[in-house]
Amino acid sequence: AQKVTQAQTEISVVEKEDVTLDCVYETRDTTYYLFWYKQPPSGELVFLIRRNSFDEQNEISGRYSWNFQKSTSSFNFTITASQVVDSAVYFCALSEVGAGGTSYGKLTFGQGTILTVHP
Amino acid sequence: ETGVTQSPTHLIKTRGQQVTLRCSSQSGHNTVSWYQQALGQGPQFIFQYYREEENGRGNFPPRFSGLQFPNYSSELNVNALELDDSALYLCASTSGTSVYNEQFFGPGTRLTVL
Repeated sequence: AQKVTQAQTEISVVEKEDVTLDCVYETRDTTYYLFWYKQPPSGELVFLIRRNSFDEQNEISGRYSWNFQKSTSSFNFTITASQVVDSAVYFCALSEVGAGGTSYGKLTFGQGTILTVHP
Repeated sequence: ETGVTQSPTHLIKTRGQQVTLRCSSQSGHNTVSWYQQALGQGPQFIFQYYREEENGRGNFPPRFSGLQFPNYSSELNVNALELDDSALYLCASTSGTSVYNEQFFGPGTRLTVL
């Protein structure tokens, strides 16, 4: 069975600090996808990144960066120079890949990390 | 905004009642997935509908059922409501069933069961 663990329930930082959100996952599949979503108070889940299990290259997008390490089953997310607008709940998620790339839409989410950035 | 809309925004029901939640998918999308998000938890997959047929289901009892219409909008029905059904219900739309296609989430319906 798949499982995603986000050990940090809440993180509080001051603006301009760097912050790393941890994600550890479990799956028996060799092919899978990992995701990060942001959930602001409005409730919508906002897609941030998707990474497949064969691509271990780190990725940077503006102030966001992701570190995927298959050896430790981790997919950590770092925000550099945090801003108040980064305050939200962040979810890491995992999707298995079925035949033909199908996933039946099933994302397995972690319990989320509440990030609060103070001015 | 993702173009996925859900109604109603909030709903209060009593135990034992039935409820119907609605989701309008983004234009061009033919797949809708439903998730239940209890307070302080991550979303849990309920089921997916693709071209009006159920196409995958999570670990939810049969009293959770759904429909998808020819315009690809969808309904989630929950019978015999229980207190633990109180949650934010999210729908997500995408095109096809491939994991390669991004899912776009709606703002959710907050259901409270008293």
